[in-house]
Amino acid sequence: QQQVKQSPQSLIVQKGGIPIINCAYENTAFDYFPWYQQFPGKGPALLIAIRPDVSEKKEGRFTISFNKSAKQFSLHIMDSQPGDSATYFCAASNVSNFGNEKLTFGTGTRLTIIP
Amino acid sequence: DGGITQSPKYLFRKEGQNVTLSCEQNLNHDAMYWYRQDPGQGLRLIYYSQIVNDFQKGDIAEGYSVSREKKESFPLTVTSAQKNPTAFYLCASSIGRGRKDQPQHFGDGTRLSIL
Repeated sequence: QQQVKQSPQSLIVQKGGIPIINCAYENTAFDYFPWYQQFPGKGPALLIAIRPDVSEKKEGRFTISFNKSAKQFSLHIMDSQPGDSATYFCAASNVSNFGNEKLTFGTGTRLTIIP
Repeated sequence: DGGITQSPKYLFRKEGQNVTLSCEQNLNHDAMYWYRQDPGQGLRLIYYSQIVNDFQKGDIAEGYSVSREKKESFPLTVTSAQKNPTAFYLCASSIGRGRKDQPQHFGDGTRLSIL
């Protein structure tokens, strides 16, 4: 079964710190790796995504690091703020074959940024 | 304002009852998806549709049914055969048409509970 393993389950970081959330996948056919942010009572929203041909991608304070050989990728949040407190999901899909992003999600990380 | 509208926000089901969750999008997207979210389990795919009048089972389709008669609409019916229906249900859409790297956009969910 295709799986994406996400850790940690929860994370508490002081304001200004750099929370890091890790994901590992098994299916080498995965070629698209998005991260979603979800606030309570809301649907997930796309934060940032990466393809395996690059090792790092930055968008504002959010950075994805990707290690193809280890089949791992991670999300870093620079200068974290209390407003970043949310649940974060990594995901993976094989867009080259399927073309419609049938996503496999990690189990989520509940992030709390304390002032 | 383009987006995905899910209704109702909260829904209660009695034993032996079928209930239908509504999902409407005005993004002109071809592909639509239904996910179930349970605490600690991430998002699991129930059904997806790449085009009108066509849909496929996801990973946990048992006890659910869908229809896709219009491009804008993808209702999900939770049947009495679904023995554990209490969950947060999320609808999503994406451009589809084989275009790669197109993100899925989510609605704000319907929370279903058993009476």
